[in-house]
Amino acid sequence: EMQLVESGGGLVQPGGSLRLSCAASGFTFSSHGMHWVRQAPGEGLEYISAIANNGGNIYYSNSVKGRFTISRDNSKNTVYLQMDSLRVEDMGVYYCARGDYGRFDPWGQGTQVIVSS
Amino acid sequence: EIVMTQSPATLSVSPGERATLSCRASQSVSVKLAWYQQKPGQAPRLLVYGPSTRATGIPARFTGSGSGTEFTLTISSLQSEDFAVYYCQQYNDWPRTFGQGTKLEIK
Repeated sequence: EMQLVESGGGLVQPGGSLRLSCAASGFTFSSHGMHWVRQAPGEGLEYISAIANNGGNIYYSNSVKGRFTISRDNSKNTVYLQMDSLRVEDMGVYYCARGDYGRFDPWGQGTQVIVSS
Repeated sequence: EIVMTQSPATLSVSPGERATLSCRASQSVSVKLAWYQQKPGQAPRLLVYGPSTRATGIPARFTGSGSGTEFTLTISSLQSEDFAVYYCQQYNDWPRTFGQGTKLEIK
């Protein structure tokens, strides 16, 4: 069974940092691009970052460019999202998802990020 | 950036009836359109893509259609477990973008 498990969320002050992890199992991790999507409280889905299967191509949305860094370790079947200079508007649930020709399947259960003083 | 617009924002339908959800793209996305279902407290789940191929394990009552800029998700004979929020997403161009969602509620 394919599975993605996120971790690393929590409470952080504005301007602080968090590192999210997403551990994959049940599929050949190194063959797939990986993505991060977030959801602010009570809102819809926002696509924020992607990394190709070999780490060669990376994408960031304008809302996180210059503050967030995506990376992956294929030997550990894990993708990361380093989040720096966090803002109140970064608050929400962060999901990782496997990319399959541009669509996302499966998704992890999400990890909550709270940015508050 | 391609803007995806879903309608209606909320749809009230009785169990056993049919629901029709719409998604419009600001420019053509060809057939590269996916639909997701999200229930409260859960992650989204891929339902249909391409735009009429059902994902693994998705019941036949979910049908996707359309091309270019206009797409539809039809759910025939609604079951209690189908009441949720539905999102469309285009994967024809970067950035990938989602619609704002349609909440399907029990009438």
